[in-house]
Amino acid sequence: NAGVTQTPKFRILKIGQSMTLQCTQDMNHNYMYWYRQDPGMGLKLIYYSVGAGITDKGEVPNGYNVSRSTTEDFPLRLELAAPSQTSVYFCASSYSIGGRDEKLFFGSGTQLSVL
Amino acid sequence: GESVGLHLPTLSVQEGDNSIINCAYSNSASDYFIWYKQESGKGPQFIIDIRSNMDKRQGQRVTVLLNKTVKHLSLQIAATQPGDSAVYFCAENEGSNYKLTFGKGTLLTVNP
Repeated sequence: NAGVTQTPKFRILKIGQSMTLQCTQDMNHNYMYWYRQDPGMGLKLIYYSVGAGITDKGEVPNGYNVSRSTTEDFPLRLELAAPSQTSVYFCASSYSIGGRDEKLFFGSGTQLSVL
Repeated sequence: GESVGLHLPTLSVQEGDNSIINCAYSNSASDYFIWYKQESGKGPQFIIDIRSNMDKRQGQRVTVLLNKTVKHLSLQIAATQPGDSAVYFCAENEGSNYKLTFGKGTLLTVNP
């Protein structure tokens, strides 16, 4: 299994541009998440999904959108990039919530700079 | 609001010594705790977890201790190696909700 795969690894955007961060997992996990990590800080949850067709907001959803049309894919969309969205973005997945397997498996991250 | 925090932002140890990384949590309803390791330029990697019905759990060279009385979590790494150098995060989960709350992390540096 490849696990959680994120693309691209690096991206520079101009203010106001849009982009989609791709995330796919091959572990047949129901739950998927998007986190952002600012320098020297922990991870903040942006959006999450408990299954195909279902998404919900996390702690810091403003400026982002997500969709979950398949179990495998969970893209994150930035519509109007702002400097405050400069961060490292991590996609993660897990088998279940509240059950025995709550471990998150993370992708390698996308480093995004908005200038 | 509820939060997870760390006592020490940085820790420097000699190779072969034991390391102890501490974490305080404030949500008394949290019942599941995880330690993650994040190497430079990589995503967090699961190390060990513990449920609130336990006070100690051991893995390979790592031990997690949970003190619910004082809401304190620690990660002990035995015979620390240079490959252990990374940022270590504790995280907590409350019951069956989706939210895993992460602390800010501790940078562990292992000196050869």
